[in-house]
Amino acid sequence: AQSVTQLGSHVSVSEGALVLLRCNYSSSVPPYLFWYVQYPNQGLQLLLKYTSAATLVKGINGFEAEFKKSETSFHLTKPSAHMRDAAEYFCAVSDRRYNQGGKLIFGQGTELSVKP
Amino acid sequence: SQTIHQWPATLVQPVGSPLSLECTVEGTSNPNLYWYRQAAGRGLQLLFYSVGIGQISSEVPQNLSASRPQDRQFILSSKKLLLSDSGFYLCASPRASLWGYGYTFGSGTRLTVV
Repeated sequence: AQSVTQLGSHVSVSEGALVLLRCNYSSSVPPYLFWYVQYPNQGLQLLLKYTSAATLVKGINGFEAEFKKSETSFHLTKPSAHMRDAAEYFCAVSDRRYNQGGKLIFGQGTELSVKP
Repeated sequence: SQTIHQWPATLVQPVGSPLSLECTVEGTSNPNLYWYRQAAGRGLQLLFYSVGIGQISSEVPQNLSASRPQDRQFILSSKKLLLSDSGFYLCASPRASLWGYGYTFGSGTRLTVV
């Protein structure tokens, strides 16, 4: 079974500072890993995903994440925060067998605040 | 391309009233479909998933049920709503892409039980 833990339900950074959102996963099979962003009163938007190719994954809006199997982590980073990055971020894990009923399991979310 | 439609976008219902949220998928056949709920201040919780018509698996015990009457239709229901059923409900489906696969989400239904 898969599970995801996001460390820190709230993270606050200053504009221009590094963003680091932590995600650790548990999976009995090689995982697919995702980061989604949810802006206020909107649905989910995919930021990036890891699907067993390069361990450093680049996504939209300047975000990237690195898959570290030894640490079972998939932390999300952005070198310089912008005010528009304020949102809630979800890490998610799924097994490869999506066409056999594989499920997307989410972490509890991290709310990112950006101070001017 | 795969698209998921959900309606209504917002809903305010009294405690004890019934519920029916509909999700339909375009652009694919025989999709796996999922219902997620995001309660206030909490993450996304998987409620139900379906791999085909009439096939429903429940992830957590609750006051809700799901049905899959057609290949591309997934319905979330309740006979009597509770205050704790308030939340943001998302329908989702995995999709194949050139880069492996991802998930398509509907725009969600915000349910407030009063």
